[in-house]
Amino acid sequence: DIQMTQSPSTLSASVGDRVTITCRASQSISSWLAWYQQKPGKAPKLLIYTASSLESGVPSRFSGSGSGTEFTLTISSLQPDDFATYYCQQYISYWTFGQGTKVEIK
Amino acid sequence: EVQLVESGGGLVQPGRSLRLSCTASGFTFGDNAVSWFRQAPGKGLEWVSFIRSKEYGGTTEYAASVKGRFTISRDDSRSIAYLQMNSLKSEDTAVYYCTRCGRQFGYYYMDVWGKGTTVTVSS
Repeated sequence: DIQMTQSPSTLSASVGDRVTITCRASQSISSWLAWYQQKPGKAPKLLIYTASSLESGVPSRFSGSGSGTEFTLTISSLQPDDFATYYCQQYISYWTFGQGTKVEIK
Repeated sequence: EVQLVESGGGLVQPGRSLRLSCTASGFTFGDNAVSWFRQAPGKGLEWVSFIRSKEYGGTTEYAASVKGRFTISRDDSRSIAYLQMNSLKSEDTAVYYCTRCGRQFGYYYMDVWGKGTTVTVSS
């Protein structure tokens, strides 16, 4: 099984901050990586697929990069609606998620 | 509007069965693969099961934790996917999400999620 590890587990930030979340895969997954946002009591929402492709309707302040085993999700200027938990997911071999990164208000 | 609505969750005793439904609207259901995920209380996301579209054989996949107990199926004429869950265990307690799958070069990601249905396995 491919293991996904996110860091940090929790991130405290302020509105307007640039935020970066890292995701590492236990083996190469090429660019078959997605990022999801989840708010309490809600379903996950797709933000990024193929490591860097922005899903339709997702604000351009979200961006993704990386390939192989190292990936990042960047929020260029954190907005109040962005406080949530973010998950990376590999989809080259079935589907596994990172443990999540909770973005909190500082 | 593209939408997935799960139903069928509830409280069930260990060892019993439950069938979840996922009703799709707003898109051509038969064109897409469908997958089920779950999230135990306070935990992360776990893949459960997957079914390809008929175009790609309609074949199925299961996580090791549910293989032999759960069965995924689809009725494209009614735009519904099902998850039959047998021999339920307390560790199956979770919110279950149905997803539509986007496809790229044979790889699938989850582009639409339902709101989820809660399954509680307890005596």
